[in-house]
Amino acid sequence: GESVGLHLPTLSVQEGDNSIINCAYSNSASDYFIWYKQESGKGPQFIIDIRSNMDKRQGQRVTVLLNKTVKHLSLQIAATQPGDSAVYFCAEINAGGTSYGKLTFGQGTILTVHP
Amino acid sequence: ETGVTQTPRHLVMGMTNKKSLKCEQHLGHNAMYWYKQSAKKPLELMFVYNFKEQTENNSVPSRFSPECPNSSHLFLHLHTLQPEDSALYLCASSSDGRGEKLFFGSGTQLSVL
Repeated sequence: GESVGLHLPTLSVQEGDNSIINCAYSNSASDYFIWYKQESGKGPQFIIDIRSNMDKRQGQRVTVLLNKTVKHLSLQIAATQPGDSAVYFCAEINAGGTSYGKLTFGQGTILTVHP
Repeated sequence: ETGVTQTPRHLVMGMTNKKSLKCEQHLGHNAMYWYKQSAKKPLELMFVYNFKEQTENNSVPSRFSPECPNSSHLFLHLHTLQPEDSALYLCASSSDGRGEKLFFGSGTQLSVL
């Protein structure tokens, strides 16, 4: 039979709006989380990271929130710009445990920013 | 640019061909990685090298053979691939082999005919 393709979640926003991209992770032992942005024809680009001893971290126009209770991670982008249009991936790792070296990626979310 | 350079950017090969992908990092990192990105799956870790030693082989078929001659260079040798191996192959590096804060190259888009 035909394989089912990976259907990525999508988010469409207007330029200037704030964007929130969500990610659920499965491994309760994960202690490091990271967000990547991937534009067409390029490799993933680091945005921001957070360790499990924090629940919030801010960068330039971006904020990552971590809720360990429900194993949920979110990326907030303030004043979204057309150049923010890309696929956004969350990734997790338990760097000190059995998953040493194995950064595990989520499926990604397609963000489209309309001028 | 991220400081990680991959060549070639595009590669088309037959199932009986032998080819190699090359990756070079200019970041002074000690760990290098190969990831596979296909349209039907999330990014998949293939191999990890830390200080030139392979620390992870994520159940990758033997038709993929990595080589890491030094901490700055990583190769992926390809032999008798299958059409389902068509994907974007991404190289990454990090300061150590824990897998945190990877810097990725732009990838090699591989098509196997």
